[in-house]
Amino acid sequence: EVQLVESGGGLVQPGGSLRLSCVASGFTVISNYMNWVRQAPGKGLEWVSGIYSGGNTYYADSVKGRFTISRDNSKNTLSLQMNSLRVEDTAVYYCARAQSALDAFDMWGQGTMVTVSS
Amino acid sequence: DIQMTQSPATLSASVGDRVTITCRASQSISSWLAWYQQKPGKAPKLLIYKASNLKSGVPSRFSGSGSGTEFILTISSLQPDDFATYYCQQYNSYWTFGQGTKVEIK
Repeated sequence: EVQLVESGGGLVQPGGSLRLSCVASGFTVISNYMNWVRQAPGKGLEWVSGIYSGGNTYYADSVKGRFTISRDNSKNTLSLQMNSLRVEDTAVYYCARAQSALDAFDMWGQGTMVTVSS
Repeated sequence: DIQMTQSPATLSASVGDRVTITCRASQSISSWLAWYQQKPGKAPKLLIYKASNLKSGVPSRFSGSGSGTEFILTISSLQPDDFATYYCQQYNSYWTFGQGTKVEIK
């Protein structure tokens, strides 16, 4: 079955760190353009970060310097290392696939909740 | 950065109504625009890509049009399953979403 499954969310204090994972099945992450998208409670969708098939990485200004996207080809897994977390980073985080740089996100995971609070 | 503006923010409609949602880009994005449907507690679902191409399996009552900076999503005859929030997304330069349009029952 072709799917994405996220994990790693939870409650963390401001300034803390968290690592999210997204395991892909039925396709390889290295051959696609993998992304993280978040949605704060009651708000819209915000693209957070992406990694191209060639390995280039991209970030929204709101997370640049704090978040790091990576992939483990042997485990067919996408990751998001989140450091220096802020209250405003509280959101459901989705991983999503685009099949090229000029493609929409045709597959999404179910999401994992990250809550930043003291 | 390319900004995407959707209108209206909320739309009240009845089953069987024809519904249109507009999305405007802050600069030309050619036809690199997608539409998504999201229901509460669920991940977004791709409906339309490259402005007017219906994803396989999506009902034909959904259609998209436009190019450049102005785009429209049309639902020709609203069904009970269509009450949801809809987002446009540009992918001409990275990816940016509109703020969403909630379609609610009138």
